[in-house]
Parts: sequence; structure tokens; C-alpha cells
Amino acid sequence: EDKVVQSPLSLVVHEGDTVTLNCSYEVTNFRSLLWYKQEKKAPTFLFMLTSSGIEKKSGRLSSILDKKELSSILNITATQTGDSAIYLCALTQGGSEKLVFGKGTKLTVNP
Amino acid sequence: GAGVSQSPSNKVTEKGKDVELRCDPISGHTALYWYRQSLGQGLEFLIYFQGNSAPDKSGLPSDRFSAERTGGSVSTLTIQRTQQEDSAVYLCASSLDLNQPQHFGDGTRLSIL
Repeated sequence: EDKVVQSPLSLVVHEGDTVTLNCSYEVTNFRSLLWYKQEKKAPTFLFMLTSSGIEKKSGRLSSILDKKELSSILNITATQTGDSAIYLCALTQGGSEKLVFGKGTKLTVNP
Repeated sequence: GAGVSQSPSNKVTEKGKDVELRCDPISGHTALYWYRQSLGQGLEFLIYFQGNSAPDKSGLPSDRFSAERTGGSVSTLTIQRTQQEDSAVYLCASSLDLNQPQHFGDGTRLSIL
């Protein structure tokens, strides 16, 4: 059965720390991997990765895909309390438009 | 507004009633998706539209669920004869085209009493 596994399930850090969130997958016909941030309501799009080894960066957030290891990481440097959220990993497969989601990592950043 | 708009934001109804949830996608987005987020279940795909047609309805959990999209824009998700297990947050997303990032609305929180 296809699956997306995120780790850790939850993480508590102090402001200023750097965190690394993991997403691994076992799917047939992988096409793309996406990261979302969900605070109270709508998941907000962060990154879409299709090629292995190419880092995508936006401010303090960055992400990279490793197709050999079937995984991706999301890094957040110099964390702030506003980074507290659930981070969701999702992927798409060839021939399908649906997103298949992991259960998410709940990040709490304490002041 | 610039984002995906969903209404109502909250809906409480009695078991056995029908409900309609509405989604207004980002202007110009051709693809529209419905997902359901339940406690402990994560986000589950229900159906997607490209234009007015629905190539993939595989996620609809039963024949009580249906969706339509008219004019390539607004979509409604209808649940007939609601059951308590239908309680969830129903999220709509849209994308500029296929294989593009999906952008989500705030969802409709549905509670079945």
C-alpha cells in the first residue's frame, strides 16, 4: 500500500533553534512532493519538489528531495514562535492529481 | 478575495439531513479538489475537477456524497442523509492547472449531531 510517513510526529523547540522535519514515502510512479504549513485552518503551500538534490529555499525555510532514499527534509533555521504549526508532507503520482498526505509533524516553538 | 473561499465556515446539522458545501476557487484556476480532514485520519482526497468534469471520484466514501462544478468555477459538495461519521473539516483546493501546487481554503467544519 502506498504511504507517506513523517517524523517526528511532534517536536518542541526554543526560539532560535534549527529544526529538520522528515518525510519518507513508498509509492509507485512518484511525480512530486509538496510541503504545507497548517496553523488553524487552511494548509499553506510551502514547496513543491520534483527533482532530486535541488534545494528550494524561502527565507528561513528550505527543502530538498532525495529520490534514491525516497525521502525529503524540511529545514527551518532560527525558529520563531510563528513557525508553530503542523507541517504536512504530500505527494502526487503519475496519472493522478490527488495529493496523498502524511499525518504531519506538529512543531511547537517556545519563546 | 485572492484565495479559495469556502462557505459556510461551520455547519451543524442533525443526522439524516442533507448538506451542501460551497467552494469558490482562485480566479483563473482550472482544477479544483475536495479533501476531508478528520481527527486521527489526516487529509483524505475525495474528488477533483478539471473544468466542469470530474476525472477522479475515487475518494468519495459512499453514494451519499456527490459534487458538481458549473461554469468552470464554483463547486458544491453535497452529502445526503448525513451520518455522524461524516463529521470532519471539508477542505477545498484549487490549482492553476494540473500538476501545479494546490492552494487550500479554510474549510467547512461539519458537525453531525
